[in-house]
Amino acid sequence: RKEVEQDPGPFNVPEGATVAFNCTYSNSASQSFFWYRQDCRKEPKLLMSVYSSGNEDGRFTAQLNRASQYISLLIRDSKLSDSATYLCVVSRYSSASKIIFGSGTRLSIRP
Amino acid sequence: EPEVTQTPSHQVTQMGQEVILRCVPISNHLYFYWYRQILGQKVEFLVSFYNNEISEKSEIFDDQFSVERPDGSNFTLKIRSTKLEDSAMYFCASTPGRGNSPLHFGNGTRLTVT
Repeated sequence: RKEVEQDPGPFNVPEGATVAFNCTYSNSASQSFFWYRQDCRKEPKLLMSVYSSGNEDGRFTAQLNRASQYISLLIRDSKLSDSATYLCVVSRYSSASKIIFGSGTRLSIRP
Repeated sequence: EPEVTQTPSHQVTQMGQEVILRCVPISNHLYFYWYRQILGQKVEFLVSFYNNEISEKSEIFDDQFSVERPDGSNFTLKIRSTKLEDSAMYFCASTPGRGNSPLHFGNGTRLTVT
């Protein structure tokens, strides 16, 4: 089983739609969680950290479910500029090498 | 906002040649990383560096790879004898601390080995 798994998509949704991505992780010792976005042939950019209580940043909401070992990202009122690949990232404090990236979920917003 | 910078943005080299990819991490960051991403694939960890030494490396980071911090600002990745399969985007990243600090990435060097 992969350490971090994401639905590769692509998700193709109309502008203004709400879209949700899930990510599951296999190691229960994982301690930090992030969502990054990556545009084609560009570097990953931090979208938001994911906190145990859940957190929101504008149109973006991230949730963490430790019991089920999954993280979610909800995008409301999607914009054309949200089209990108969304990467789930999971890390363990004790090991720098254990900052593990999921393969990413591709999102395409259509007008 | 401070940034991680990488040079060159694109490097083309012939198989068997040595390449050096350069990175300037954010100045008050202490942990430095190299990742690579083969086209269409996931971001993969190569190596982490702290306090002037390698702290961890992956199985990808074999003897053809080395890292160095030659001065107080640059962080370099050297590939001694490039292979076709080394063609990828190479991303440098840095963090102020470990674990719960998100990675700050440079804009990458696209390495093409012919």
